[in-house]
Amino acid sequence: SQQGEEDPQALSIQEGENATMNCSYKTSINNLQWYRQNSGRGLVHLILIRSNEREKHSGRLRVTLDTSKKSSSLLITASRAADTASYFCATVHTDKLIFGTGTRLQVFP
Amino acid sequence: DAGVIQSPRHEVTEMGQEVTLRCKPISGHDYLFWYRQTMMRGLELLIYFNNNVPIDDSGMPEDRFSAKMPNASFSTLKIQPSEPRDSAVYFCASSLLADLNTDTQYFGPGTRLTVL
Repeated sequence: SQQGEEDPQALSIQEGENATMNCSYKTSINNLQWYRQNSGRGLVHLILIRSNEREKHSGRLRVTLDTSKKSSSLLITASRAADTASYFCATVHTDKLIFGTGTRLQVFP
Repeated sequence: DAGVIQSPRHEVTEMGQEVTLRCKPISGHDYLFWYRQTMMRGLELLIYFNNNVPIDDSGMPEDRFSAKMPNASFSTLKIQPSEPRDSAVYFCASSLLADLNTDTQYFGPGTRLTVL
């Protein structure tokens, strides 16, 4: 399956700490996207990184992409309790957006 | 814009009953997607439409599932008859452009379906 796998499955940290989530995928891609899902809500698009980019920033988010290893990481700096959510990577495969298994992030105040 | 609207937010029904989930995409978006999310299988694409026409329904699990988009502002996902294994959260999403590689999908809040 093309489905990406996030690592770790769950992560608990204190407010102010950094959170790093990793995503691995199986086939070549043009782009990779990260989405956030708050409990009981739909997914919200966070950031897109193209295959020719190695790193991208958006506010407290930093995404890296290593196409040789077929992996991406999402770093959230100076985390806040409001960052508590599940985070998914997504890639396109056979004209469909395929989501990974997700990382559940818990940020304690 | 109010975003993607789904109804109902929660649905509890008994096995064998018909279930209809509804979605109103963001105005002006040409693409509409139906997803199902479960703990076991994660988020799965069921079907998507372009300009009200179904493009790919290969993710629809069985003939018990059907989806329609009679106009640009409304879509339904119907399960008949429903079974306990259909219990999941069903999301509708819409997007503006055709290129899934670059375009953002906007998700609704989901419908949590429980089939007893």
